[in-house]
Amino acid sequence: GAVVSQHPSRVICKSGTSVKIECRSLDFQATTMFWYRQFPKQSLMLMATSNEGSKATYEQGVEKDKFLINHASLTLSTLTVTSAHPEDSSFYICSARIGTGNTIYFGEGSWLTVV
Amino acid sequence: AQRVTQPEKLLSVFKGAPVELKCNYSYSGSPELFWYVQYSRQRLQLLLRHISRESIKGFTADLNKGETSFHLKKPFAQEEDSAMYYCALSGSNTGKLIFGQGTTLQVKP
Repeated sequence: GAVVSQHPSRVICKSGTSVKIECRSLDFQATTMFWYRQFPKQSLMLMATSNEGSKATYEQGVEKDKFLINHASLTLSTLTVTSAHPEDSSFYICSARIGTGNTIYFGEGSWLTVV
Repeated sequence: AQRVTQPEKLLSVFKGAPVELKCNYSYSGSPELFWYVQYSRQRLQLLLRHISRESIKGFTADLNKGETSFHLKKPFAQEEDSAMYYCALSGSNTGKLIFGQGTTLQVKP
């Protein structure tokens, strides 16, 4: 099956700094990628939809200036958490869509800890 | 409102027992329903989608539009079925998924 890779898998950053998480589709082109956030023992919450070559579409309540999403190529989307605070600590998961349907593949997730 | 509800956080059964993980949804339209599974320390992966009408690893799920449910069933649970199971829906072929809270299935030997 198709593979989606996230990097880094774990990152610790200091409060006030920015951190970038990458999401790559390794063996297919993804015109659409999605970013989710998951708190411990809770469900995945969709943060934004990332479309190649255009601005991301953010879900209600998600600060677009804080969570910068860039989808510069058909195989790469990045999520940058700007001016990170401890409350941003979470598990961030990306997914990528093949074609125009609902065939979705997930990355392995990235743990962010802000200290 | 679009919502997926999994009422059980934890379901614990013995090996060989039947399993039913409940999922109810709320959506104004005709969504596509999915079950995803997350084994320990692994990524989320698709288990079933209602349009496929297939059985994966012995699991089946039937969409009941009248009851707005998509319960996941398996007649005889195996220890390797122990995992976190998420029910999800997608509307209008957008690729966006709305997830339920997840149910941890624990199959005891």
